Amino acid sequence: QSALTQPPSASGSPGHSVTISCTGTSSDVGAYNYVSWYQQHPGKAPKLMIYEVTKRPSGVPDRFSGSKSDNTASLTVSGLQAEDEADYYCSSYAGNNNLVFGGGTKVTVL
Amino acid sequence: QVQLQESGPGLVKPSQTLSLTCSVSGDSITSGGYYWSWIRQHPGKGLEWIGYIYYSGSTYYNPSLESRVTISSDTSENQFSLKLSSVTAADTAMYYCARSLWGYAFHFWGQGTLVTVSS
Repeated sequence: QSALTQPPSASGSPGHSVTISCTGTSSDVGAYNYVSWYQQHPGKAPKLMIYEVTKRPSGVPDRFSGSKSDNTASLTVSGLQAEDEADYYCSSYAGNNNLVFGGGTKVTVL
Repeated sequence: QVQLQESGPGLVKPSQTLSLTCSVSGDSITSGGYYWSWIRQHPGKGLEWIGYIYYSGSTYYNPSLESRVTISSDTSENQFSLKLSSVTAADTAMYYCARSLWGYAFHFWGQGTLVTVSS
């Protein structure tokens, strides 16, 4: 299976919003509601921010939200804060027990 | 709170077998419904799922690595392990262990361990 497509970078000013896309196919993102988003700061392990397209784990601020339309999932970070600057990865169940990740998006807070 | 900790050699010679262990605390790896996975990240690159072992002991591997991967568990030690055979420099990466439910949402991760393949 191929990796999901994410833009390499995205940016926004503090207090503003940024949206990251994650494009797959009708065999992964489009077929299942098992899209997750991870935040990774340098030198740290990834942290789950969104799962099953729209759900937030306990402790994740509601500034983080997820959505999906057809074969594209999106992560929106509202009210950007300095600590939101990180790499973000999407993943999707791809059927037959397979999982595929996106290539990652570096978010910069201007 | 579930905690995972990877351990193993940081340097492996080409053509040899990479062996890592993930020690789990705060939960039993035989707890119903959980998948225990290995994930790697090449330097400066994205994430790649390697495979999982289910609480029941069944396993599934990424088709791209399947011929070289074995994931097993030691329930008495509450650990699960990764073996990757015939390694090359392309297997140099940070290796993470993680726990998920069905759907591959990895709620808990280890801190990762860097493995370098070099002679």
